[in-house]
Amino acid sequence: QTVVTQEPSLTVSPGGTVTLTCASSTGEVTIANSANWFQQKPGQAPRSLIHSTSTKQSWTPARFSGSLLGDKAALTLSNVQPEDEADYYCLLYIGGVQVVLGGGTKLTVL
Amino acid sequence: EVQLVESGGGLGQPGGSLRLSCAASGFTFSSYNMNWVRQAPGKGLEWLSYISSDGTTIYYVDSVKGRFTISRDNAKNSLYLLMNSLRAEDTATYYCTRWGSTGWGDYWGQGTQVTVSS
Repeated sequence: QTVVTQEPSLTVSPGGTVTLTCASSTGEVTIANSANWFQQKPGQAPRSLIHSTSTKQSWTPARFSGSLLGDKAALTLSNVQPEDEADYYCLLYIGGVQVVLGGGTKLTVL
Repeated sequence: EVQLVESGGGLGQPGGSLRLSCAASGFTFSSYNMNWVRQAPGKGLEWLSYISSDGTTIYYVDSVKGRFTISRDNAKNSLYLLMNSLRAEDTATYYCTRWGSTGWGDYWGQGTQVTVSS
């Protein structure tokens, strides 16, 4: 059973930069895992930000970027804005159509 | 505009059943694979079930296998989740999501809340 691990919480100052990571219990996250990233604000449904590791949705602000960082997938937020305070979830493809969601990172902008 | 609208949530009895629906609009529903995802109160997201665009391929997470049934009616642009043998731990908000050309979960519904309690 694959487990996907994210930082439980991170804090960043407005205007700063923060990187959220997504690790797989089976080893290195690669392009084949096609990481997806979602943002969820309180009381709202999740919203897709990034798919295929680094491809932004048409509505995703330019300050969000996805990448592979070492053996993990990463979501980097630059010039963080107060409205970026939210929960962020990653998703990895683990084979065929099977996917696993991470436990989420609560990002505080303070 | 792509829209996914869930309905059918509410209070369910332990051991009882509920049927969730997801009405799709703004895209060719029959061309897209779909998923159900849930979120227990204060918890993270949990993928539950996948159904292919033509309904022939279906997967479930182990925790709902044998109790939940995913289905779709492409003529009605609708996705369903039949939940049987409900347990308290099934209490959650249930979302339908599209697996689109722009990624898994490129669009989500607003969710429907299910509470399992006697």
